[in-house]
Parts: sequence; C-alpha cells; structure tokens
Amino acid sequence: GQQLNQSPQSMFIQEGEDVSMNCTSSSIFNTWLWYKQDPGEGPVLLIALYKAGELTSNGRLTAQFGITRKDSFLNISASIPSDVGIYFCAGQLINAGKSTFGDGTTLTVKP
Amino acid sequence: EAQVTQNPRYLITVTGKKLTVTCSQNMNHEYMSWYRQDPGLGLRQIYYSMNVEVTDKGDVPEGYKVSRKEKRNFPLILESPSPNQTSLYFCASSSSSFYGYTFGSGTRLTVV
Repeated sequence: GQQLNQSPQSMFIQEGEDVSMNCTSSSIFNTWLWYKQDPGEGPVLLIALYKAGELTSNGRLTAQFGITRKDSFLNISASIPSDVGIYFCAGQLINAGKSTFGDGTTLTVKP
Repeated sequence: EAQVTQNPRYLITVTGKKLTVTCSQNMNHEYMSWYRQDPGLGLRQIYYSMNVEVTDKGDVPEGYKVSRKEKRNFPLILESPSPNQTSLYFCASSSSSFYGYTFGSGTRLTVV
C-alpha cells in the first residue's frame, strides 16, 4: 500500500524557536492533512490542503502542498509549551475513504 | 456537541473471547473509519465505510470485522482477539473524502 515518510521522528526545541517537519510519499494524493495528537486524546485536524502548491496558514502554523502532490511540510513559528504533542501528516484520495498516515513527529518544547 | 463517541475507553480481555468496540457519531457524516495506533507505527487504517452498507479494507484488516447498518454507528468486532491486537484504537468520521476526519478519544485494548 501507499506509505508516507514523515521526518523528523522527534524534535526537542526551546520555547520561541521555529519548527519544520515534512512528509513525502511514493504516490500522489488529492488532499494533504496535518493533525496534532495530545496525550490521551485522538488526533485533531490542524490544516487541510487541497491543491498542489497551496500554502495555508492557521495562526502560527503554515503548511504547503507540494507541487508534485507527493509531499507536504508543516512549519510552526515561535513555539510555545502547549505545542507539545505528536504531529501527523495524512494523505487522502478523492472519492476514497482510505487515508494514509505518517508515523508522526513527537515535539517537545522546553520552557 | 459534535463528536465521535467510542466505548469502552479501556478494555482488558483474554485471547479468543469475542468483543465489540462501539463507535457513534452525531454529525451525519458519510465516512467512518477505524485506526489502530502502535508505538513507532503511527496510525494504520483497519476498515473504512463510505456509506451505509458500504465497507472496505484498510491497510491492516486481518482479524477484524465491521458493519455499517446505520449511518451513525460503525462497530469494530474482534471475533477471536489475539495478543498482537493489543493496541490503541480510534474511530473517526468525515463528511467527505475531501476533508479530514474527526476522531474519537480512543479505546485502549489489552489482550492477554
């Protein structure tokens, strides 16, 4: 099946620093999604991307849908302690319920 | 409140004893899905459903069954659980394949 390679696997940063993580795929997707999971909870959708080349922001978060439709990145600016968690990318195809997730990036923010 | 509700939150069972994890959504979503989450493996899709009576296999369907008799419910059935099915399970729903999923709070299953 399709596989997503998400990197880095983990990050340890100081509060205030910027963060960047990315996902690459061996095949194309119509939609790229970024989720955050807090401990003991289910993932929550942060940003959805629908067009190749699209750049979308949600507060301090910015994500881009790669031109080739096989990759996406997520940036977090000026990190704060509540940014701690696991970030997942996911790819979906239109008219298909199937979604493929990356293995996640665990973010730790030191105050 | 719009939500996906799954029960139970925690379950310890023995090998071979059939069990069902229930999932219900109140958003009138067409799509529903089950995932399992294991350390280092991210979220892997078990089964998904695009509408009532329409279900399809995800990436790891072996050992699981699902049914979608009503739009709001999508139970996950383990006919004969084994220890390798010990995992954290999430149910999720979505209004379209174009949008992301809304996840439940998870069910932590331990099979001994």
